[in-house]
Amino acid sequence: GDSVTQMEGPVTLSEEAFLTINCTYTATGYPSLFWYVQYPGEGLQLLLKATKADDKGSNKGFEATYRKETTSFHLEKGSVQVSDSAVYFCALSDYTGFQKLVFGTGTRLLVSP
Amino acid sequence: ETGVTQTPRHLVMGMTNKKSLKCEQHLGHNAMYWYKQSAKKPLELMFVYSLEERVENNSVPSRFSPECPNSSHLFLHLHTLQPEDSALYLCASSQDSANTEAFFGQGTRLTVV
Repeated sequence: GDSVTQMEGPVTLSEEAFLTINCTYTATGYPSLFWYVQYPGEGLQLLLKATKADDKGSNKGFEATYRKETTSFHLEKGSVQVSDSAVYFCALSDYTGFQKLVFGTGTRLLVSP
Repeated sequence: ETGVTQTPRHLVMGMTNKKSLKCEQHLGHNAMYWYKQSAKKPLELMFVYSLEERVENNSVPSRFSPECPNSSHLFLHLHTLQPEDSALYLCASSQDSANTEAFFGQGTRLTVV
């Protein structure tokens, strides 16, 4: 079945450092890919998405490119802030008569001043 | 209110209790979902409703009973739970079509004692 694999955390960075969180996926079809973010005590919020190969999703300084050849969707940000501390989830959407999101385990990001 | 609202935010219940979780969406979506989020595990899809009809039951124990009286409301009825059922229960909604964004509520933190 479909699956998503993310790097284990926590990822600990200093403010203004470069961020990469790796994500790879396995899918039988042509899924859409997403990054969701969960701040402490909150639900998940969509951060960015890409619906087809070579698409780049971007939002709030975060970017991820849908790489079909490597089945990857790595999340990057050039300069992180303390407020970016959260758990980041990579997910794919598989349509089998209804939308079904398959999530990775999440990667916790801790940014210190 | 806008978005997806879940109540209560926190719930502590004994193993012999009966309680219900409520989810309400004001987005005009046709699909609603229950997810379970446990520590260090991927989000687990529990139930999917499309146009008030259950379309997915992901091998969830019968002590969890969903109800979708209309397209805006979704309930999760709980009875005779086990301590391992303690988790964050997230509700989400989306338009009932392929590869579209899911909007999540803030979740109900459930503790079974």
